Amino acid sequence: SQTIHQWPATLVQPVGSPLSLECTVEGTSNPNLYWYRQAAGRGLQLLFYSIGIDQISSEVPQNLSASRPQDRQFILSSKKLLLSDSGFYLCAWGQRMNEQFFGPGTRLTVL
Amino acid sequence: GEDVEQSLFLSVREGDSSVINCTYTDSSSTYLYWYKQEPGAGLQLLTYIFSNMDMKQDQRLTVLLNKKDKHLSLRIADTQTGDSAIYFCAESIHDYKLSFGAGTTVTVRA
Repeated sequence: SQTIHQWPATLVQPVGSPLSLECTVEGTSNPNLYWYRQAAGRGLQLLFYSIGIDQISSEVPQNLSASRPQDRQFILSSKKLLLSDSGFYLCAWGQRMNEQFFGPGTRLTVL
Repeated sequence: GEDVEQSLFLSVREGDSSVINCTYTDSSSTYLYWYKQEPGAGLQLLTYIFSNMDMKQDQRLTVLLNKKDKHLSLRIADTQTGDSAIYFCAESIHDYKLSFGAGTTVTVRA
């Protein structure tokens, strides 16, 4: 069966520091991969998605970037965090056209 | 603004039925989904319905789709305290993406 992992589970970082969040999927190959951010009490904002190892699409211009170094690994990065980057970051994978399965999330607090 | 709209809160008594409503805008959506999010956790896919169906039942869950009005609902029969969570409606849109509503927080009271 397929599983999705996110690391770390929680993170507290100062403003201006770098960020690297990791997402890995097991039990499938060539998945579609997604990064979402969920601000407190709000819905999901799609940040990036990737339908292949060399295909990453950005949905919202900001100081975040995404990379896919391996087929089942998706990384969310920032060179300098802002206060507004605080939130709950969710990674998801999908195999068919639109179905998505979510990881446990990373709670990021920027101070 | 979001293309999928949901009411933000629902309070229901334990044992009663819950009905969560959602409206969407993209008439070309092929699938519509319901996800459940418990506190501090990721989203769990509860059920989905294909756009050529008008109803789908899965144990305590019933999904109704009115494609003409672009209205989707989720009914939870015999609501339990473990059903307290945020429920997200989502529609499939182009390019492998889903569009999510803001979520309905369901509180089950004894």
